[in-house]
Amino acid sequence: DTAVSQTPKYLVTQMGNDKSIKCEQNLGHDTMYWYKQDSKKFLKIMFSYNNKELIINETVPNRFSPKSPDKAHLNLHINSLELGDSAVYFCASREGDLSTGELFFGEGSRLTVL
Amino acid sequence: AQSVAQPEDQVNVAEGNPLTVKCTYSVSGNPYLFWYVQYPNRGLQFLLKYITGDNLVKGSYGFEAEFNKSQTSFHLKKPSALVSDSALYFCAVSPPENAGNMLTFGGGTRLMVKP
Repeated sequence: DTAVSQTPKYLVTQMGNDKSIKCEQNLGHDTMYWYKQDSKKFLKIMFSYNNKELIINETVPNRFSPKSPDKAHLNLHINSLELGDSAVYFCASREGDLSTGELFFGEGSRLTVL
Repeated sequence: AQSVAQPEDQVNVAEGNPLTVKCTYSVSGNPYLFWYVQYPNRGLQFLLKYITGDNLVKGSYGFEAEFNKSQTSFHLKKPSALVSDSALYFCAVSPPENAGNMLTFGGGTRLMVKP
């Protein structure tokens, strides 16, 4: 049983397209996140969502929009894809809304924009 | 705003030798500090954390880390390295206040353990 699952694992698409990455967690956690890992392995927070409030990192372009149909899911939709969007995107979840808990990560979704 | 620095891109150590992966942080207030490990083509896995109390915290796979407030450091250590410890290691800090609970990661350190 995968705790945090992401689909698709690999995604190759053309510039200008719109794509979505789905994330589901079966841990009953209240808080979910999206992180972007670039080619140099640097991890950058994109969004935090704790079932009540969406916290948007102001450096994320508005082409990126998270959508949470329920607290077990946090999907990432990307409009008008650009070459620089190529990266591995990680979904994560955390119990409650405290800063003390550890994150549980999905396996990542590798996006390649051609 | 909080930040984390991992000054070494790569650490090389021979199997059986002790290892240290360095981490320093900058955060207002008391920090919550974490170490995560990433194996190739996998997501990050939690190793250990410091929240409060004893400065030496023990975690998974025999790893430990020491919180040093005066030096604002949280170095990861293991007494005897294994080849299977070879991976990418990330230090992270979480704000003590509820600011979206966004964990900020360092740039990562690649650990190479050679037989």
